[in-house]
Amino acid sequence: AQSVSQHNHHVILSEAASLELGCNYSYGGTVNLFWYVQYPGQHLQLLLKYFSGDPLVKGIKGFEAEFIKSKFSFNLRKPSVQWSDTAEYFCAVRSGGFKTIFGAGTRLFVKA
Amino acid sequence: SAVISQKPSRDICQRGTSLTIQCQVDSQVTMMFWYRQQPGQSLTLIATANQGSEATYESGFVIDKFPISRPNLTFSTLTVSNMSPEDSSIYLCSVVGPQRQAGGSRTSTDTQYFGPGTRLTVL
Repeated sequence: AQSVSQHNHHVILSEAASLELGCNYSYGGTVNLFWYVQYPGQHLQLLLKYFSGDPLVKGIKGFEAEFIKSKFSFNLRKPSVQWSDTAEYFCAVRSGGFKTIFGAGTRLFVKA
Repeated sequence: SAVISQKPSRDICQRGTSLTIQCQVDSQVTMMFWYRQQPGQSLTLIATANQGSEATYESGFVIDKFPISRPNLTFSTLTVSNMSPEDSSIYLCSVVGPQRQAGGSRTSTDTQYFGPGTRLTVL
């Protein structure tokens, strides 16, 4: 069965610091990869997605992620975080049939 | 894009009762799913709601506890039956779609959308 692992459950950064959130998945076939964000009191929003092509994908709000197939990883990055990036971030993997599996989530707190 | 609404947005229920959650989408969609997000945890897929047939349940979830209906391509319900405090959670409807007409053939987009959720508290 496929699974998704997010390395950090809680991350605390100061504004302007760089961010990298780790995500690894286990599935041998073709996958689609996603990062979602959930701001406090709001519902899930799609940050970015990878289906095929350039393994470096850019999303909204300055976020990007790199798909490294050999490492089964899809890490999320942002060069300089803002206080408004405080949220919970979920990595997700979809294989055939549109069924999407989510990681446990990483709570990011950005200190102003 | 698909706009999803859920009813109720929140409810407080007594142990042993049942609650039916409705999910309405503003366009026809290929796939509909029900997720649960327990306090402090990630999203767990409960089932895939199949139009015109029985839902497909994930391991650990059964039809008797979480009966699902999907009478058409825009609507689904999830019932949480015989509730206990462990069922306190946010229940989310999710869709992949909408279906688009493209050159006479129907295709589905790959984007997955989530509803606002139903926050359920069981006392």
